Amino acid sequence: TQLLEQSPQFLSIQEGENLTVYCNSSSVFSSLQWYRQEPGEGPVLLVTVVTGGEVKKLKRLTFQFGDARKDSSLHITAAQPGDTGLYLCAGDGEAETSGSRLTFGEGTQLTVNP
Amino acid sequence: DTEVTQTPKHLVMGMTNKKSLKCEQHMGHRAMYWYKQKAKKPPELMFVYSYEKLSINESVPSRFSPECPNSSLLNLHLHALQPEDSALYLCASSQVYRMVYTGELFFGEGSRLTVL
Repeated sequence: TQLLEQSPQFLSIQEGENLTVYCNSSSVFSSLQWYRQEPGEGPVLLVTVVTGGEVKKLKRLTFQFGDARKDSSLHITAAQPGDTGLYLCAGDGEAETSGSRLTFGEGTQLTVNP
Repeated sequence: DTEVTQTPKHLVMGMTNKKSLKCEQHMGHRAMYWYKQKAKKPPELMFVYSYEKLSINESVPSRFSPECPNSSLLNLHLHALQPEDSALYLCASSQVYRMVYTGELFFGEGSRLTVL
């Protein structure tokens, strides 16, 4: 069974601060997705990382996939209240059908206070 | 705006009621999913349909009955539910090519179910 450990579980910061969320596993993933979920909404896909060592930027968000494809991080620069939400990482195993059964991390509940 | 549409957004039902949740997508995705999510927790997979056929049932109780009438529609029929079944039910879709799934899920906004 593949597991994804996500940390921290809760994070409350002030507007303008930087933060990093981590997603770690002992298993190798063929790809890893990050989602953000706002209250009362479904998760929204932010990014997919596929290649070991890959770095992707989405405005103030930087996503990194570990060289061994076992871990990932999400860094937010100058957080804003609109960044508030539940951040979920999800891994796709190496089998062809693994994408149908993603492994989700436990989530990071981020609150950015004005 | 999400391209996966779920109805109803909110549903309150008694334990003896029969109701259905509906999901529709027009992205041409051939994999559709039902997930259950409790507050502040990750989604838990319930069912996967691939090319309109049930491919995964994660040992879900029979009081939940999925149906995929066509490639765009997914239903979840509910009967004799328990209060602990109260949760947000999320529908999602993804692309699949010859049984290779992309792993990128497009979620609907969810149906908030309360069982009294």
